[in-house]
Amino acid sequence: AQSVAQPEDQVNVAEGNPLTVKCTYSVSGNPYLFWYVQYPNRGLQFLLKYITGDNLVKGSYGFEAEFNKSQTSFHLKKPSALVSDSALYFCAVRDMGFSGNTPLVFGKGTRLSVIA
Amino acid sequence: DVKVTQSSRYLVKRTGEKVFLECVQDMDHENMFWYRQDPGLGLRLIYFSYDVKMKEKGDIPEGYSVSREKKERFSLILESASTNQTSMYLCASSLGDRPGTEAFFGQGTRLTVV
Repeated sequence: AQSVAQPEDQVNVAEGNPLTVKCTYSVSGNPYLFWYVQYPNRGLQFLLKYITGDNLVKGSYGFEAEFNKSQTSFHLKKPSALVSDSALYFCAVRDMGFSGNTPLVFGKGTRLSVIA
Repeated sequence: DVKVTQSSRYLVKRTGEKVFLECVQDMDHENMFWYRQDPGLGLRLIYFSYDVKMKEKGDIPEGYSVSREKKERFSLILESASTNQTSMYLCASSLGDRPGTEAFFGQGTRLTVV
């Protein structure tokens, strides 16, 4: 079975400070990993994904994520947070051994608040 | 850009009504999905479809049905709306059988059942 855990419901960070939103996953094989962001009353927007290769993945809006196979983690990071980064963030996984028709499995989400 | 369009942003329906939520995508994607989103529960999969007229149950299909008569359109049907179906509904689409590809989401429909 595939699963994703986002251990923090809420993350607060001061503007200009680095931010980290945590994600751990469980799959039987190797994972494809994704991060999405949701602004209030909107759908989910794709931020970045890990497929293979370099463990550090860069995405939209200055976000990056680091794949760590030994810790089964895929934490989202940004060097300097902006107030406009305040949103709900979702991590998702799909096992590489599954068909591409298999739906993504999402975590419960982490609300990020960036304080001016 | 991929566009996934949901027919309504906000809906208010009465208990017992039959409710249709429509979703259209313009990128010829094979896969389409319906999720509901509730605070503290994240996204839960209701139904998905990987081809026209094909459908698969997700994690919470009870009280819902779906229809996919054309590749670009995927409808979610609440047969008899109940207050516990008040939620945010999200439609998504993705390329068929490409496990490394992301899903693209619509803007969501916030449904209130009174």
